[in-house]
Amino acid sequence: SAVISQKPSRDICQRGTSLTIQCQVDSQVTMMFWYRQQPGQSLTLIATANQGSEATYESGFVIDKFPISRPNLTFSTLTVSNMSPEDSSIYLCSVGWAAYEQYFGPGTRLTVT
Amino acid sequence: QKEVEQDPGPLSVPEGAIVSLNCTYSNSAFQYFMWYRQYSRKGPELLMYTYSSGNKEDGRFTAQVDKSSKYISLFIRDSQPSDSATYLCAMSANQAGTALIFGKGTTLSVSS
Repeated sequence: SAVISQKPSRDICQRGTSLTIQCQVDSQVTMMFWYRQQPGQSLTLIATANQGSEATYESGFVIDKFPISRPNLTFSTLTVSNMSPEDSSIYLCSVGWAAYEQYFGPGTRLTVT
Repeated sequence: QKEVEQDPGPLSVPEGAIVSLNCTYSNSAFQYFMWYRQYSRKGPELLMYTYSSGNKEDGRFTAQVDKSSKYISLFIRDSQPSDSATYLCAMSANQAGTALIFGKGTTLSVSS
């Protein structure tokens, strides 16, 4: 397993601003993922962050809106840019060694006013 | 049709009841089937996974997969108030740890 921490745990931001969410893991992992969990909706994968290469974005998510960094094997950041109220959501990072072995962080609860 | 369907509930049961949680899916390529538990204001916690069809038991929890019907279940025996949470099913077509496809989750409340 892995212990994952995220910062901040929650934030309230104004429309048009950006927020960077940090994800720290207690061990080195190749694959890190960023998910969004909107009220009443399924967890949805935003992108896969791989160390040493650019993030891979899922359909409907673009780098300009959700830039991701992965400077090493234990850390990643997700930025939510030019925020609107529709970006209000819980953002989760996860790490995994296989499909059946993915572990999630506690999440960042974002409210955009 | 969404790839994974899961009744959001809520489901309310008395302590000691047997709980059945279910998901259906449309993609026959799914091979790995996971169940996560998520407490309020926490991240999802991996409960158990099953590869292909069959059953898997872990304590009070049993996971079943019926690939012919594209239907998976999680049974909780002797349910406890501490089982009160949202249960998410997730699926993947390959082992490589790529994108998991989640259901919306079923909210369970176990009363003492």
